[in-house]
Amino acid sequence: GAVVSQHPSRVICKSGTSVKIECRSLDFQATTMFWYRQFPKQSLMLMATSNEGSKATYEQGVEKDKFLINHASLTLSTLTVTSAHPEDSSFYICSARDRREASPDTQYFGPGTRLTVL
Amino acid sequence: AQSVSQHNHHVILSEAASLELGCNYSYGGTVNLFWYVQYPGQHLQLLLKYFSGDPLVKGIKGFEAEFIKSKFSFNLRKPSVQWSDTAEYFCAVKNSGGYQKVTFGIGTKLQVIP
Repeated sequence: GAVVSQHPSRVICKSGTSVKIECRSLDFQATTMFWYRQFPKQSLMLMATSNEGSKATYEQGVEKDKFLINHASLTLSTLTVTSAHPEDSSFYICSARDRREASPDTQYFGPGTRLTVL
Repeated sequence: AQSVSQHNHHVILSEAASLELGCNYSYGGTVNLFWYVQYPGQHLQLLLKYFSGDPLVKGIKGFEAEFIKSKFSFNLRKPSVQWSDTAEYFCAVKNSGGYQKVTFGIGTKLQVIP
């Protein structure tokens, strides 16, 4: 149980285009999902917290208009990188909390999406 | 702001050797602590966590970690590693109240040689 999927796993796009990444909780409902970014040889950096039915909470330094997050259902959150540039190339990982769990601090991670912007 | 330090970035061990990965955090309040593992080609998964109670926490696959509050540490241990333990290990901390942001360490790559 507690499986999180991401789609696509890899995407290559041209500079200036927008890319949408999906994060799905497959066998549980997630009121809260998180989006992380990981640069080579660095840790996961939280970008934003996505709450179902409400606006995402962005971390300091993360551009809201650049990284659009939508959490329209209890099993799906999307991250759209708008007008992508080469510096946006990174590994994007989502995680989700199972709303049924008494201990809400366990996050279940997706496999990540490798974005390369040419 | 909270931060997490993992001292060993790359560890190479022979099978059956004992493992200890260091993790220190900086945060003055009450914390929740985690170790996550990422096996090659797989996603991050929870190895063990500490919320309260016994500071010695046992996780999956024979791993354990000890929370030492006075040292702000949460080191991961395993008495005898196996080749299948080859993975990257991330320590993480979250303050137990208020905004629940989890901060991750940089990770430690463990390579176990058969």
